[in-house]
Amino acid sequence: AQSVTQPDIHITVSEGASLELRCNYSYGATPYLFWYVQSPGQGLQLLLKYFSGDTLVQGIKGFEAEFKRSQSSFNLRKPSVHWSDAAEYFCAVGSTNAGGTSYGKLTFGQGTILTVHP
Amino acid sequence: DTGVSQDPRHKITKRGQNVTFRCDPISEHNRLYWYRQTLGQGPEFLTYFQNEAQLEKSRLLSDRFSAERPKGSFSTLEIQRTEQGDSAMYLCASSLTSFQETQYFGPGTRLLVL
Repeated sequence: AQSVTQPDIHITVSEGASLELRCNYSYGATPYLFWYVQSPGQGLQLLLKYFSGDTLVQGIKGFEAEFKRSQSSFNLRKPSVHWSDAAEYFCAVGSTNAGGTSYGKLTFGQGTILTVHP
Repeated sequence: DTGVSQDPRHKITKRGQNVTFRCDPISEHNRLYWYRQTLGQGPEFLTYFQNEAQLEKSRLLSDRFSAERPKGSFSTLEIQRTEQGDSAMYLCASSLTSFQETQYFGPGTRLLVL
């Protein structure tokens, strides 16, 4: 069964500092990977996604993530954090059917809460 | 494109009561998903529809839970005889069937069972 691990429950950084949020997945085939962000009381907003091709993907709000198959990782990065980035971040892996088409449920990690100090 | 909407946004109920939530997906999206998120956890898949057909249900979806999407547009999630353990955020997402399917989430319905 597929699974996602986000090892860091809570990360605190200073505004302007760089950020890396870790995500490790377990999946038998080529994974489809996603990062979502959730602000308090809000739904999930898609930051970026990886399906195939270039292993470094760019997303919204200046975020990027790198897929490393050898390490089963899909870490999220941002070179300079803004106070408005404070939120909870979720990594997720998608399912595929026998034909390799993405479908169905996402399996999420438990999330990483990001606090930004001024 | 007005996004995925959910109603109500908040619901407080007493144990044993029935509750129903509604989700309106993005208009052209043929897939619709329900997830449940408890405090401190990531969302957990409950069920999904392709058009009006319910194609997969999680073991988390007990007999007290039922979901419908009668005309392939909006969906309802009903919980009968609510229990305190049902307190959670219920999230709906929609997507287009495609090779690179991406789900877009609504704001969620927060349920508190007293």
